Amino acid sequence: DVKVTQSSRYLVKRTGEKVFLECVQDMDHENMFWYRQDPGLGLRLIYFSYDVKMKEKGDIPEGYSVSREKKERFSLILESASTNQTSMYLCASSLVRGVEAFFGQGTRLTVV
Amino acid sequence: RKEVEQDPGPFNVPEGATVAFNCTYSNSASQSFFWYRQDCRKEPKLLMSVYSSGNEDGRFTAQLNRASQYISLLIRDSKLSDSATYLCVVNANDYKLSFGAGTTVTVRA
Repeated sequence: DVKVTQSSRYLVKRTGEKVFLECVQDMDHENMFWYRQDPGLGLRLIYFSYDVKMKEKGDIPEGYSVSREKKERFSLILESASTNQTSMYLCASSLVRGVEAFFGQGTRLTVV
Repeated sequence: RKEVEQDPGPFNVPEGATVAFNCTYSNSASQSFFWYRQDCRKEPKLLMSVYSSGNEDGRFTAQLNRASQYISLLIRDSKLSDSATYLCVVNANDYKLSFGAGTTVTVRA
């Protein structure tokens, strides 16, 4: 069974903090993604990775960075958290390009 | 123009009814299409893939119209458990999946 696991369900951080969101998949998938989901805006792609140590910007990369040191792990980093980064963050993976993606359970981040 | 657009609804239907809704996409080169289901405060889960002209999975039928650039989802014999937000997803290039904002369906007893 496909398994994508995010390290936290809920996080509360202070403005200016550096925040790490971790995601692990156990299906040997090539591609991994980070999305954020906000009411009325749907899912928006922040970054994706199609191979170890490779990363590509999505639609809204500003204020974020990512790391993929191992195939199974994709980390999202908020360099200096701001209140407008309060959101639901969803990690996903897919076997190859162009096929369905499987999601982790999401991390609801609140920046105060 | 958004890459993927959906009627947000909500569609409120009684149990046993049929409900259908569409999704339009802007990139004519799109190759892969999916419907996901998302329950409140949960992650999206794959409902079905739409790879050709359409396909059926139990009470759910998805249709693809490439000429008019839309896909549809039809739910027959609606159950209370079908209440959710349905996300239309389109593969606009090799890696990126583009999501619609979702259509909310509420099935009432």
